Amino acid sequence: DAMVIQNPRYQVTQFGKPVTLSCSQTLNHNVMYWYQQKSSQAPKLLFHYYDKDFNNEADTPDNFQSRRPNTSFCFLDIRSPGLGDAAMYLCATSRDPPLAQETQYFGPGTRLLVL
Amino acid sequence: AQTVTQSQPEMSVQEAETVTLSCTYDTSESDYYLFWYKQPPSRQMILVIRQEAYKQQNATENRFSVNFQKAAKSFSLKISDSQLGDAAMYFCAYRSAFETSYDKVIFGPGTSLSVIP
Repeated sequence: DAMVIQNPRYQVTQFGKPVTLSCSQTLNHNVMYWYQQKSSQAPKLLFHYYDKDFNNEADTPDNFQSRRPNTSFCFLDIRSPGLGDAAMYLCATSRDPPLAQETQYFGPGTRLLVL
Repeated sequence: AQTVTQSQPEMSVQEAETVTLSCTYDTSESDYYLFWYKQPPSRQMILVIRQEAYKQQNATENRFSVNFQKAAKSFSLKISDSQLGDAAMYFCAYRSAFETSYDKVIFGPGTSLSVIP
């Protein structure tokens, strides 16, 4: 089945130790999103890619970076995780062009714990 | 800027009963889309139902229906014949229909729904 896959599902890292979360999709969607979701809160958009065009939200900290080497894969890099970065990270995709009526397809998320 | 409000952080419903989740939003745009997403515990978020602002008819998907009141900027979700599997966090979301803005979905804070057997 076509889907959005996130690995790992759970990630433990140490304070200040770089960590990379991955997302892959078999939907062949051109748009990929990264959200941060803290407990009992709404997802917060960090950035998205439209093909290779990177779009950063204005309030996304510089500590968060992203790479998209090809259509299928997208990575979230946290350069120096702080305790406040512990959260669920959701990857989502949508079709090209990113039409307003199109739903976003979400992955299961990666829960990040920072020790 | 657009905002989405869900005034009920938690709701509960008896199995087989009906429950309505509230959502209000603020926008100056005339054309947009509204969504309800469901996020079960430890499972991925999925779309429940979608409404186009220029359509007056309320969207319906099986046991899920919406009451869309454009003038009041209200978009409530009704779940009929509630089932145990409906227990989840429900997010109301807004997306502009304008080409320069519709890459961003604005989520409300969510309503946690419990279903009582």
